[in-house]
Formats: sequence, structure tokens, C-alpha cells
Amino acid sequence: QKEVEQNSGPLSVPEGAIASLNCTYSDRGSQSFFWYRQYSGKSPELIMSIYSNGDKEDGRFTAQLNKASQYVSLLIRDSQPSDSATYLCAVNNEGAQKLVFGQGTRLTINP
Amino acid sequence: KAGVTQTPRYLIKTRGQQVTLSCSPISGHRSVSWYQQTPGQGLQFLFEYFSETQRNKGNFPGRFSGRQFSNSRSEMNVSTLELGDSALYLCASSQQGNYGYTFGSGTRLTVV
Repeated sequence: QKEVEQNSGPLSVPEGAIASLNCTYSDRGSQSFFWYRQYSGKSPELIMSIYSNGDKEDGRFTAQLNKASQYVSLLIRDSQPSDSATYLCAVNNEGAQKLVFGQGTRLTINP
Repeated sequence: KAGVTQTPRYLIKTRGQQVTLSCSPISGHRSVSWYQQTPGQGLQFLFEYFSETQRNKGNFPGRFSGRQFSNSRSEMNVSTLELGDSALYLCASSQQGNYGYTFGSGTRLTVV
């Protein structure tokens, strides 16, 4: 079992709709959870971080964390073509001092 | 505020050679991590440094090494390069290491 799992996609969403990206993790000791966006040929960019159960909203982005289910999700409202990218879920166990990444979900927003 | 700076951006090396990559973290960030990204394996953790001490190391052979200087700048070295070492090498910095990391633009290494 991979430590962090994501559906690789591609996920295709029409412009203006909600894109929903999901991630599960195996280490129950994980404490910090991140979503990175990576455009083709570029480096990952941090877009959301979440540390406690529940929802965290930032503009059009909402991160959701459920530690009991070991599940993290990212919702993108009013999707724009510029949101087309690969979205990486990353999990950090403070004691391990490292990020463990999922394989990423490729998202395409269709105009 | 300047971001994470990695040099060089691109490198082409021959099998058997060695290479040194450099990373300057965001000012004030004391934690520096290195990752290797390939299409097949995704982002793989190499090692993490904090205040010149390596706190964690990933599952890579001993040919991969790193260090951090007193000004938090970091270098990683790969000796006896193999074709499979061709990848994007990313450096990331953080204030404490348990918050989100900011990535540099990466060094694209091609081994021929």
C-alpha cells in the first residue's frame, strides 16, 4: 500500500464547475497536510495547508481533512482554465521531517 | 522576499561523473529538503537539513549526499552518475520543517 494515494486522473471538469480532488494516507501519525499545484515544466506551488479535522477555505479553494478516515480532499469552486495542472497531495509526520507525496491528479478545466 | 534559488537550472552530465547542486533557501528558513522528481516515481524525498544537521534521509543509495552551511544554504552531491539519475531535483525550504515547504524552480539533470 502506498503511503499517500491519489487518483492519477486525468480529471476533466467544465469551466465554472467544482473540481473535487481526493487523497488518502496510511500513516496515522501524520500531522500536517498540504496541497500543491504543479504546472507542466514548473515546480510545485503550495496552495493549501490543513492541520486539524474539518474544512479550511481560502478563496476558491477548500481543503477538507478527516483524520479518522485518513482522508484529505481539495475542492476548487468556479474552476478556471488556469486551474488546469497536476495537484499533489503531501503529508508530513513531524517526527519524520519529510513530506510524502502522492502521485498527483492531473486536472483539466474545459472552457 | 526572494524565493528559493536553485542553481544551475539545467545540467547535462556523462555516466560516471559527479555533480553538485546548490540551493539558497528563503531568508529566515532553516529547514532545507531535497526531492527527486521523475515521471515514473513522482516526488521522492532525498534528505532534510536543519541548522546544518541532517535530520532525515530517504531511501537513496549512498551516492546521494548533501550538506547545509551555517547560512542555511545547502548543496547536494551525486557521485558516479547513472542514467537513472536523470530527473528534476527540487529543493524546498521551511521555517521549522513541519509547515508547508516552498520549492525552488529545480535543477533538471540529464545523464547521458
